[in-house]
Amino acid sequence: AAGVIQSPRHLIKEKRETATLKCYPIPRHDTVYWYQQGPGQDPQFLISFYEKMQSDKGSIPDRFSAQQFSDYHSELNMSSLELGDSALYFCASRTTLAGGPLDDTGELFFGEGSRLTVL
Amino acid sequence: AQTVTQSQPEMSVQEAETVTLSCTYDTSESDYYLFWYKQPPSRQMILVIRQEAYKQQNATENRFSVNFQKAAKSFSLKISDSQLGDAAMYFCACWAGGSEKLVFGKGTKLTVNP
Repeated sequence: AAGVIQSPRHLIKEKRETATLKCYPIPRHDTVYWYQQGPGQDPQFLISFYEKMQSDKGSIPDRFSAQQFSDYHSELNMSSLELGDSALYFCASRTTLAGGPLDDTGELFFGEGSRLTVL
Repeated sequence: AQTVTQSQPEMSVQEAETVTLSCTYDTSESDYYLFWYKQPPSRQMILVIRQEAYKQQNATENRFSVNFQKAAKSFSLKISDSQLGDAAMYFCACWAGGSEKLVFGKGTKLTVNP
């Protein structure tokens, strides 16, 4: 079965550079979430999109931006990178187009993550 | 917004024995779901088990089962017949209908001793 695809899997950048992470959700999933997991930390919610519109925003720095495109893939853009941005970035997707509330399990399907290292 | 608390940063168990990981949560929503995710060293986030809040019966998946105490807002994970491959970080998480996002606890690192 198709899963959530993230690219690149690994990325190394210098301070003050820019990075872009991509996420391709499971086909027919209409909602995408971005999470940031620092070393030894729990995943922190950054931002989510539903039907190409931002649906919620968490602890995302102003230096970061994201969008969801017409094919439902999403990109997380990070500028002026700092050492503290080094983390594993997860994308997750889900569908809200199930048969109804009882079919909406709330389950998120996670990609394998993109590991960003800022030197 | 919901909160999730895991009070055990680390746990250890002998191979073939049983271990229980604790989790408490808080949400004002009546429509919510609870999850346990496993994160091995590869860092892939793997769903272990899911519990719908409206279901009274505790979820089970092979060697994994939960003890869902809705009134106490408790959601513990029991791993029976522990295997070396069970060693990982385990995150408890809550998805609530109002917030429409998944919130994680701080995680419990499980070590399985041979």
